[in-house]
Amino acid sequence: NAGVTQTPKFRILKIGQSMTLQCAQDMNHNYMYWYRQDPGMGLKLIYYSVGAGITDKGEVPNGYNVSRSTTEDFPLRLELAAPSQTSVYFCASSYDLADTQYFGPGTRLTVL
Amino acid sequence: GQNIDQPTEMTATEGAIVQINCTYQTSGFNGLFWYQQHAGEAPTFLSYNVLDGLEEKGRFSSFLSRSKGYSYLLLKELQMKDSASYLCAVRAAAGNKLTFGGGTRVLVKP
Repeated sequence: NAGVTQTPKFRILKIGQSMTLQCAQDMNHNYMYWYRQDPGMGLKLIYYSVGAGITDKGEVPNGYNVSRSTTEDFPLRLELAAPSQTSVYFCASSYDLADTQYFGPGTRLTVL
Repeated sequence: GQNIDQPTEMTATEGAIVQINCTYQTSGFNGLFWYQQHAGEAPTFLSYNVLDGLEEKGRFSSFLSRSKGYSYLLLKELQMKDSASYLCAVRAAAGNKLTFGGGTRVLVKP
């Protein structure tokens, strides 16, 4: 199993550009999550999904969108990039509500 | 809402013991996780407590007191590779969300 994979690893965007961060898991997990982590800080939940076709907002959803058309994939979309979105983005998945979350390697995004 | 506090940084000597405290205030409680995160890497799971008491896993132990809103992670026989950030995360009683503390950076010195 590859676990949770994320692409790209690094990206630099200009203000106003758009991009999609990809996340995939091969563990047949129902739950998937997107977090952002600013330097020296903990993780903040952006969006999460409890299964294909079902998504919900986390703590900091503004400026982002998600979709979950399959169990495996959970892409995160930035429509109009802003410097405040400079961060490291982690995708995670878990089998069940009370289960451990497994994290992908992260995407380091810089918006200039 | 939820509020989670843990110290920002701790320093300890190789071979020693370090205790990382985490206090939380939540509108409901359904478990507390500890994750380890090395610089530039993803968090990895260390422990999970949902009932009061001590959970031991090798050199790492985690304790929970729900009545006090308090947990600690105990790292024994410290090794240089234990230098990392340790994240406390609480799951609310309702919903599927984990709320993370800011993390405690532990530096192990020779």
